[in-house]
This record gives sequence, structure tokens and C-alpha cells, in this order.
Amino acid sequence: DAGITQSPRHKVTETGTPVTLRCHQTENHRYMYWYRQDPEHGLRLIHYSYGVKDTDKGEVSDGYSVSRSKTEDFLLTLESATSSQTSVYFCAIRSPGTGNGEQFFGPGTRLTVL
Amino acid sequence: AQSVTQLDSQVPVFEEAPVELRCNYSSSVSVYLFWYVQYPNQGLQLLLKYLSGSTLVKGINGFEAEFNKSQTSFHLRKPSVHISDTAEYFCAVSEKAAGNKLTFGGGTRVLVKP
Repeated sequence: DAGITQSPRHKVTETGTPVTLRCHQTENHRYMYWYRQDPEHGLRLIHYSYGVKDTDKGEVSDGYSVSRSKTEDFLLTLESATSSQTSVYFCAIRSPGTGNGEQFFGPGTRLTVL
Repeated sequence: AQSVTQLDSQVPVFEEAPVELRCNYSSSVSVYLFWYVQYPNQGLQLLLKYLSGSTLVKGINGFEAEFNKSQTSFHLRKPSVHISDTAEYFCAVSEKAAGNKLTFGGGTRVLVKP
């Protein structure tokens, strides 16, 4: 358990509404990541952060934005949710001190966009 | 760019039988390799990792994997599976560069039958 929590764990929303998912970590890790998991595509990186206010795009960043104003929190925002963003979203942190890319994952948020 | 291919999307296996999950990767630089397991409705958990050194890597729950550089493979094996090994297994690769982003294969669903 790497001290990662995600909220909410489940959310149902309607097309066009904004949605923010929160990832919280308790161990001051520098690197944090957001992924989405879909049956036909597997796990894909949306955005990642390498420090407070330092973020970068991943493979599937269109339609998503992120913010990191504190080390412990990494927020993922869907500005105007679409049905194609129905997915399970995972947050991850990078294992510190190893430099090998090993990541620890949160429990996930299941988002349904109607 | 790196990529990962898991050759089997589903593997049914009887309890106490051996199982092998195949993973091939491509990358233009040196990589780190990982296997993760995802139990139903949970996040991903690290099974094992190859960083350097011995090509045979042992992980948790009796799993092991062998790195083969010439064949760019990192196959996962277990000599005798249990019902509790029913899960989805993901192979992942990280290039030895800043950011250490993980790229995942599509996953292999293992169903252990009694």
C-alpha cells in the first residue's frame, strides 16, 4: 500500500458536465500519473506530473486537463464529459529513489458518462 | 517509441497446472520490464520486475519471468496455479530515460478452473 487514495470511487454524470477526479498520496512522491483503462485499449497514460505545477501530456490527453498545486494532490478534470470518457481511471505514483519507472497504483475510479 | 505486445488475451488453465503468459516488447533503448496483476475490481499490483543482472526474476505468489534480450521477450510463468490466481496480468516496459513512463501491453486474462 503506497498511501494512494482516489475520490470519488464511483461517479455517474451526464454528457457535457465537468468532472474532477482526485488522487491523494501521503508519502511526498514527486511523480504522479493518471491512466484510463478500457477493455479494448488496456491502460493508457493521460497526463503525468513531475512536481508541483509541473505536468505533461500522455498518450490520450485530449479532453483532459490536470493540476497539481500541492505535492500530495493530483487532479484530473474532464472539462465537458463525453460518453467516450466512460472508463476506469487509475492514479499512480512512481517508486522514489529507484529511477526505474516502477509505479504503485491507486484503487481506481469508475466513471460513467451518460 | 516503446511498445508491448501480449500475445494471448485470455488463457484458461486448470488448477495446479502450469501457466505461461507471453510478452514481447520493442524499444530503441534499454528498458526496465514489469509484470503487474489486477484482481477483479482492484488496482494494479506489482508481481515482479527486471532491472538488470540475472535474466530469471522471481516475484510474489510463486511467479517468475525470464528476460530474453535477443528475442525481446519477458514471459511470465508459474509452475502450479491456484484458483486465486484468476486475474488479469499486464506486462509493462519503461525506457531508461527521464520521466520513466510505463507502456502497458493489452493484458492477459487468466481463468483458473477447478
